[in-house]
Amino acid sequence: DVKVTQSSRYLVKRTGEKVFLECVQDMDHENMFWYRQDPGLGLRLIYFSYDVKMKEKGDIPEGYSVSREKKERFSLILESASTNQTSMYLCASSYLNTIYFGEGSWLTVV
Amino acid sequence: DQQVKQNSPSLSVQEGRISILNCDYTNSMFDYFLWYKKYPAEGPTFLISISSIKDKNEDGRFTVFLNKSAKHLSLHIVPSQPGDSAVYFCAASVNNFGNEKLTFGTGTRLTIIP
Repeated sequence: DVKVTQSSRYLVKRTGEKVFLECVQDMDHENMFWYRQDPGLGLRLIYFSYDVKMKEKGDIPEGYSVSREKKERFSLILESASTNQTSMYLCASSYLNTIYFGEGSWLTVV
Repeated sequence: DQQVKQNSPSLSVQEGRISILNCDYTNSMFDYFLWYKKYPAEGPTFLISISSIKDKNEDGRFTVFLNKSAKHLSLHIVPSQPGDSAVYFCAASVNNFGNEKLTFGTGTRLTIIP
């Protein structure tokens, strides 16, 4: 079974704080993704990575950055959290067109 | 511009009957389609997929139909069970030699009425 683990399930952060969301996958997948899910908007791609140290912007990269120093780990960084970044964040890895998701991280920015 | 659309935000179906969830897409380059199921406070889980070279794929109670000319796919669940109550997302991708990324629809909340 593919395992994608997001280290924090629930976080509350203050506006302006720097926030790190960590994700680890155990299947040696090359592709990793960060999505956010909002009611009525579905899943929107923030950033993705095809390989270590490689990253590409998704559909909504503004306000976010990512880091992929090791193949199994993909981090999402909110440089200065804002209230409109309150959301559920989903990390995923993929193989042969199928994406496997973690359980999600609920972030509330106050 | 929403390239993958699920026009029904919610659907209620009696237990034992057929559930039909619909999805439309606009990008004719999409050649692989998937359905995901999501329970509250959990990540989406893969359900079933279909390649553009097929028009039907079946897995137990779940069948996905693809109509390329209409740019439409549907997920049929029969018979529907209470555990099927969840949000269903359709997704599509363009074959990019292993570097695929999925575009998701907005989701349909399915409620199975006992």
